[in-house]
Parts: sequence; C-alpha cells; structure tokens
Amino acid sequence: GIQVEQSPPDLILQEGANSTLRCNFSDSVNNLQWFHQNPWGQLINLFYIPSGTKQNGRLSATTVATERYSLLYISSSQTTDSGVYFCAVVIRGYQKVTFGIGTKLQVIP
Amino acid sequence: GAVVSQHPSWVICKSGTSVKIECRSLDFQATTMFWYRQFPKQSLMLMATSNEGSKATYEQGVEKDKFLINHASLTLSTLTVTSAHPEDSSFYICSARGRGASNQPQHFGDGTRLSIL
Repeated sequence: GIQVEQSPPDLILQEGANSTLRCNFSDSVNNLQWFHQNPWGQLINLFYIPSGTKQNGRLSATTVATERYSLLYISSSQTTDSGVYFCAVVIRGYQKVTFGIGTKLQVIP
Repeated sequence: GAVVSQHPSWVICKSGTSVKIECRSLDFQATTMFWYRQFPKQSLMLMATSNEGSKATYEQGVEKDKFLINHASLTLSTLTVTSAHPEDSSFYICSARGRGASNQPQHFGDGTRLSIL
C-alpha cells in the first residue's frame, strides 16, 4: 500500500519562529490535504493541495507531485498553532484516504 | 465552506451497550463517507468507506458485524458499535466527500469520544 511519511514527528518552537513540515508519499496522488488537529480532537482543513502552492495567512503549502512530497510552512508561529499536523493523500485510481503519522507541534511563549 | 456534523461528541456507557454515531453533511450531498478510528497519540486509521445506497467497504481487520455502517441517504451515515466493550473505547471521526472523483476534498466531523466502562 501507499506509504505516507511525515517529518519531523515532534517539534517545539518559540513563539514567533518559522517552521517547515514535510510529507513524503510513495505513489502518484489525486488528492492531498493538510489538517491541523487541535487539542480537542477537531480536524481543521488547512489546504487541499494535490499540486502547486497555496497561501492562507501565515500558512502556506507546496506540493511537488512529480517528486512526491508536500511542504507546510508556518510563519510567525503562535501558541494557538500547537497541535498535530496531518498530511492525508488519496492515490490515483482509489478513493481510500491514507494519513501520515502526524507532526506534533508545540509553540511555547 | 462544507460542514459535516457528527453526534454525539461524547459517549460514556456500560459494557454490552450498542452505540450509534451519526454523521451528517449539512450543506452538500455526500456520495462517499468515511469512518476513522484514532487511538491516543496515534494517527487516524480508516475503518470503512461507505457510498450512498450501497454496502460499506471495510478495511482489513475491522469486524463488519461489530461496526455496522449505514449510508441510507446523501446526507447521513451512521456507525453503530454493537455490544461495545472497553477495548472499543476510542475517538471516532467521520468525513464526507461530495460528488465527483477521488480528487475532491474531504470534510471532517468533530469526532466522537467513546468510553466504555
């Protein structure tokens, strides 16, 4: 089956710092989404980005489909950015979604 | 944006009880719904995929008689945990996807925390 690897698994940032989270996947994808799971378990959809670059405020994401990776950039981090960030993909020809293991981010004041 | 409502958000019940969780798409027609299970500090594991009007497709290792899924309409899917036991305690999350191919985004409910005593 498809492999989805996220790095780093854990990250601690000082408030105001920038960071890059990475998602590698082992096959061609139709769909890639980045999610933020807050401490209450809610999954917030950040980006739907099977290819290209998107920006939303302090967050941006880039997917290079031909090289099978996606990056999530967080700039000027805030304590409210804390939580787990998941990458989820759907491979071509299938409808099943596969999640990575997530990156646990802690932003400290 | 698309909204998916999941109820209840928290359930505590005795061992042997059956529990039903509802997942509703509020402002779009969900031709496909997914049910996930998440253990503490782990990722989401897909349990089953349901398409409106047809039987759910279960992932390997998921007992279909234990976890009954019904997707009777384009806006509602239900997961029933039958004769629940403490090992069924977990966080269950549903998601829904609208018409179109698998390149459509998923929209998630807020999850249900199930605790079996």
